[in-house]
Amino acid sequence: GENVEQHPSTLSVQEGDSAVIKCTYSDSASNYFPWYKQELGKRPQLIIDIRSNVGEKKDQRIAVTLNKTAKHFSLHITETQPEDSAVYFCAAQGGGADGLTFGKGTHLIIQP
Amino acid sequence: EPEVTQTPSHQVTQMGQEVILRCVPISNHLYFYWYRQILGQKVEFLVSFYNNEISEKSEIFDDQFSVERPDGSNFTLKIRSTKLEDSAMYFCASTLRTGKETQYFGPGTRLLVL
Repeated sequence: GENVEQHPSTLSVQEGDSAVIKCTYSDSASNYFPWYKQELGKRPQLIIDIRSNVGEKKDQRIAVTLNKTAKHFSLHITETQPEDSAVYFCAAQGGGADGLTFGKGTHLIIQP
Repeated sequence: EPEVTQTPSHQVTQMGQEVILRCVPISNHLYFYWYRQILGQKVEFLVSFYNNEISEKSEIFDDQFSVERPDGSNFTLKIRSTKLEDSAMYFCASTLRTGKETQYFGPGTRLLVL
């Protein structure tokens, strides 16, 4: 089955700087890659997603890049703000699968 | 904006007892899911449900677990005889049409098995 690795587990950046979180996946048939943000005690919220027919997608300060050959995808947050502090999960969905396979999460800390 | 809802928010039970976790998916959604998240670990897929039957299940979803859509709005997860290791946050999710669209998560039920 699919396996998703996520790094780093914790990331601390100064407010205003950029943050990058990286994930790799194992199943070359995976074709959908969402990113979820989870604040303490709350539900995972989708922040951006990308499909395998696209290499990059951007939404304001958030962007995701996908390298199908290397089987990795990354989340980029620019001009970080205190409200960006949360745990971020990447996930992958295989070609024939319903379920998402999640990474272990990255705790992003924005230092004022 | 419509959201997935779940009840209860917290449940404490004794080992060996049965629990039923309830979810109300977004009203026009057709695909439903259960995931669990053991404290400090990743979110794990349990099962997907479509057209009143299980579409896909993970190896975690053994005979102890069952799902049901008892009426037009609720979607339930039953754990028949709870074990200590079932303690986790359980999330319900739903998608609009197919299993390949954005999955919207509920707020979760935190289950503690003593």
